[in-house]
Amino acid sequence: DTEVTQTPKHLVMGMTNKKSLKCEQHMGHRAMYWYKQKAKKPPELMFVYSYEKLSINESVPSRFSPECPNSSLLNLHLHALQPEDSALYLCASSQDWARSSYNEQFFGPGTRLTVL
Amino acid sequence: AQSVTQLDSQVPVFEEAPVELRCNYSSSVSVYLFWYVQYPNQGLQLLLKYLSGSTLVESINGFEAEFNKSQTSFHLRKPSVHISDTAEYFCAVTRSGSARQLTFGSGTQLTVLP
Repeated sequence: DTEVTQTPKHLVMGMTNKKSLKCEQHMGHRAMYWYKQKAKKPPELMFVYSYEKLSINESVPSRFSPECPNSSLLNLHLHALQPEDSALYLCASSQDWARSSYNEQFFGPGTRLTVL
Repeated sequence: AQSVTQLDSQVPVFEEAPVELRCNYSSSVSVYLFWYVQYPNQGLQLLLKYLSGSTLVESINGFEAEFNKSQTSFHLRKPSVHISDTAEYFCAVTRSGSARQLTFGSGTQLTVLP
């Protein structure tokens, strides 16, 4: 299994809603990533988890809350979002964040989020 | 810090014609270089990578890229494109010896016309 899966594929939410994005991989990877991608732009790194611990938070607003309950799962909890948060949210995973010199990142198909 | 420049935001080309997508990088240290492809409504797929060794790297679907250290470039080429190659292409760089942040270029939309 060389796939990263993300659910849901599409999500529409209001500014007062609370929702969650889910990412799953069964490749034994120990690093997982959240990216935000606006239309016609490159992905921007938001968070990195290594061995279920948050390694990097790229100054992301607190209305985005990541969670890594186990080595296969990564969640992104959303609360009180703004319309400008509408974007494609991509999850990725790689083998080992800290110790190897290079780890290919495998990307999921993304969740397209629309905030009304 | 590293940076990546993709000068061409859009490249239209006719089917079966050759194409080159340009990528230049800036870094004060050794780097690894990548090309990712993103088809409409999909995530990113790694197309090819340069880590070390031969400066010419090839993908299974006919793309190739050449690492040129003196010109700090990693241009992507294909001698004959297909309609199915229509996609967004991102060049990316990371510091060698580090699995950390990928720095992406702004992307090039390749549109193959019939």
